Amino acid sequence: AQKITQTQPGMFVQEKEAVTLDCTYDTSDQSYGLFWYKQPSSGEMIFLIYQGSYDEQNATEGRYSLNFQKARKSANLVISASQLGDSAMYFCAMTAGWVGNQFYFGTGTSLTVIP
Amino acid sequence: EAGVTQFPSHSVIEKGQTVTLRCDPISGHDNLYWYRRVMGKEIKFLLHFVKESKQDESGMPNNRFLAERTGGTYSTLKVQPAELEDSGVYFCASSTGGAIFDSPLHFGNGTRLTVT
Repeated sequence: AQKITQTQPGMFVQEKEAVTLDCTYDTSDQSYGLFWYKQPSSGEMIFLIYQGSYDEQNATEGRYSLNFQKARKSANLVISASQLGDSAMYFCAMTAGWVGNQFYFGTGTSLTVIP
Repeated sequence: EAGVTQFPSHSVIEKGQTVTLRCDPISGHDNLYWYRRVMGKEIKFLLHFVKESKQDESGMPNNRFLAERTGGTYSTLKVQPAELEDSGVYFCASSTGGAIFDSPLHFGNGTRLTVT
């Protein structure tokens, strides 16, 4: 069975500082994808970054990077130079198998950026 | 390109009533998903359409939930009769066809359902 665990219900970070949001996953599939989504207070879910299980390099998208440690089954999101607009819920998600049907989500981490 | 749209954004109904949620996926996206988030819990899969066919409905809680996708375009999710535990945010998402393990979901803004 697939499972995503986010152990930080809430996080605070000073503006312009970097922050790491933790995510661990569990799957027996060799092929899987890891995603991070952002949900601001307005409610929409915004795709941030993707890491494939066969990708050797950590994914980066602007200020977002994914610290992928396969042996530890972790896929932490690093946000550099935090901005006030980064305050939101962040969800880690996974889909597995070559033709996966389901995305599995964690419970989310609420990030608050302090001015 | 228009994103995934969901209607209504909010719905407050009494226990025992019926509610129908609608989702319009991104044009050309064959995969359409329904997910639900109950307060404080993880976002949980309900079902998956590929075009008009139900690929996987293993996440549907019970037979009070009925999803359809007419002609492979928009989808509806009907809850009849609604119970208190059905309250939550219902998300619709779509993605392009083929293997999905590297295709991100594009989400709608969700419908916040409150059953009183």
